[in-house]
Amino acid sequence: EAGVVQSPRYKIIEKKQPVAFWCNPISGHNTLYWYLQNLGQGPELLIRYENEEAVDDSQLPKDRFSAERLKGVDSTLKIQPAELGDSAVYLCASSLDPNPNEQFFGPGTRLTVL
Amino acid sequence: GENVEQHPSTLSVQEGDSAVIKCTYSDSASNYFPWYKQELGKGPQLIIDIRSNVGEKKDQRIAVTLNKTAKHFSLHITETQPEDSAVYFCAAVTGGFKTIFGAGTRLFVKA
Repeated sequence: EAGVVQSPRYKIIEKKQPVAFWCNPISGHNTLYWYLQNLGQGPELLIRYENEEAVDDSQLPKDRFSAERLKGVDSTLKIQPAELGDSAVYLCASSLDPNPNEQFFGPGTRLTVL
Repeated sequence: GENVEQHPSTLSVQEGDSAVIKCTYSDSASNYFPWYKQELGKGPQLIIDIRSNVGEKKDQRIAVTLNKTAKHFSLHITETQPEDSAVYFCAAVTGGFKTIFGAGTRLFVKA
């Protein structure tokens, strides 16, 4: 069974440019998460989806970040415009349901903003 | 707000020795406590978890203990091997299904 797929794996952009990350969760997983991981830190939740509904986006900086999960399967996270402080790893994870359950993580996208 | 503290931040042990990582959480409604291992360039991978109605769980060389009264939980790795070297994260899932991660422990196992 394929795991969580993320692309691109690496992205280098200049500040003020837009960037988008894509995630395809494990087939059948209804819950999808986007996390931000700064160097030397644990993941921090940005947004959680149950099917196509964003049920927790309280930590998403909505002035520059947006996300969508059309049809309740794959998801896109966008930053526009990017700032230097956005340099980090963006992790996508999925689980069968939101009840406390194993989350499966993708390899992440490492973003560098110059 | 909700918080998970993890100690130590770095741990170096000799191959064959035991390693212990400790975490505390703030939200008393937390009911699920997973531990993840993250290797360089990869996403975190679940290695063991424990639910709030259980005090201890063991899986081969790894074990986790939970003290709900003190809001403490710990990871124990016995007979460490070089391939155990990685960053380990504890986490607590709150009543609102939000996962709060600790800052991580970098474990070095010296051969």
